[in-house]
Amino acid sequence: KQEVTQIPAALSVPEGENLVLNCSFTDSAIYNLQWFRQDPGKGLTSLLLIQSSQREQTSGRLNASLDKSSGRSTLYIAASQPGDSATYLCAADSGYSTLTFGKGTMLLVSP
Amino acid sequence: KAGVTQTPRYLIKTRGQQVTLSCSPISGHRSVSWYQQTPGQGLQFLFEYFSETQRNKGNFPGRFSGRQFSNSRSEMNVSTLELGDSALYLCASSPSGQGGLGEQFFGPGTRLTVL
Repeated sequence: KQEVTQIPAALSVPEGENLVLNCSFTDSAIYNLQWFRQDPGKGLTSLLLIQSSQREQTSGRLNASLDKSSGRSTLYIAASQPGDSATYLCAADSGYSTLTFGKGTMLLVSP
Repeated sequence: KAGVTQTPRYLIKTRGQQVTLSCSPISGHRSVSWYQQTPGQGLQFLFEYFSETQRNKGNFPGRFSGRQFSNSRSEMNVSTLELGDSALYLCASSPSGQGGLGEQFFGPGTRLTVL
């Protein structure tokens, strides 16, 4: 059974800092790994999708890496802004669009 | 292109009642998945449908059921509601869902409160 863990559970940083969010998964037989953002009381916004054959994906200030052999993914946020404050979730897809989610990292970026 | 839509956005029910939630996927997407989100358990997979067939099901009791129509719209039903069913129910759609290659796009969710 796939299990996904995210560290840290919460993170508070001043504006402008670069930061790294960590995600680990127990079963390396994944098809892809997806990072999401969730604002309070809202649905999930897809940030990045990394296919199992890829090592990283980039979108603007976001960069996500995937190391299947070690069961790890990281989300790097450059030059953080207050608008980045949200909960960040990673999810491993083990097939048939079945996502196993971590509990998330709650990020607060202060001005 | 319109995103994933879910109706209703909010529901209040009492224990023992049943409820039906609706999800309309992004146009052209054939895979629809449902998830339950609670503060204690986080996001948990309920089931996934592709071309009107349930392909996968999570570890939830039989009170939770779903279906998909020929236009890919999906509904989920919860019968005999319990207090613990209070949650945000999220629907996601994907172009194909085959081999996990499809990016998942989520709707805004339906907030269900059971009193």
